[in-house]
Amino acid sequence: DARVTQTPRHKVTEMGQEVTMRCQPILGHNTVFWYRQTMMQGLELLAYFRNRAPLDDSGMPKDRFSAEMPDATLATLKIQPSEPRDSAVYFCASGLVIGASTEAFFGQGTRLTVV
Amino acid sequence: KQEVTQIPAALSVPEGENLVLNCSFTDSAIYNLQWFRQDPGKGLTSLLLIQSSQREQTSGRLNASLDKSSGRSTLYIAASQPGDSATYLCAVSGTGRRALTFGSGTRLQVQP
Repeated sequence: DARVTQTPRHKVTEMGQEVTMRCQPILGHNTVFWYRQTMMQGLELLAYFRNRAPLDDSGMPKDRFSAEMPDATLATLKIQPSEPRDSAVYFCASGLVIGASTEAFFGQGTRLTVV
Repeated sequence: KQEVTQIPAALSVPEGENLVLNCSFTDSAIYNLQWFRQDPGKGLTSLLLIQSSQREQTSGRLNASLDKSSGRSTLYIAASQPGDSATYLCAVSGTGRRALTFGSGTRLQVQP
């Protein structure tokens, strides 16, 4: 059963703490996306990797957010230091680019609450 | 910059009704358009992917059409059921930016 796996599913942390979210993309997929979902802004792209190389992280606050792919089976999103305004659901998605088309498959998300 | 709009924002219909959800996008230079379903507190489930060269895709009671030149897509749901209640999102992947740009969704409620 191929699916994108995200951990943790829920995280409550205090302001100023470091938060690390992990994503295991579907085996064989060469593209990974990180999105953030809030009621006010909807789904916003934070970062986008192709073959583990970052292609677009323009949506990510660089001073506190970082995204990496240490290997093809793991993507991480870190927030340091966390702030209450970072409270949101963070989604990872993976896809396989074939020609001009990419179908994206999403994980269940990490619900982050910063108090 | 690509912008995606979905109308209506919310829709409530009685069970059995056929319905249409609308999606429009500002930049017609797209690779593909994808429709998703999201249940409360859950992730996004891919429903249909339409490549830019295609006009429509069908899966069961769902049919999605794409008119790239006018920047529009519709998702048709036939014989709606209470289990169809969810938020439906459309997203486009552009030739400039390959990552998906999402609309704000249509929240659908099907009344038994």
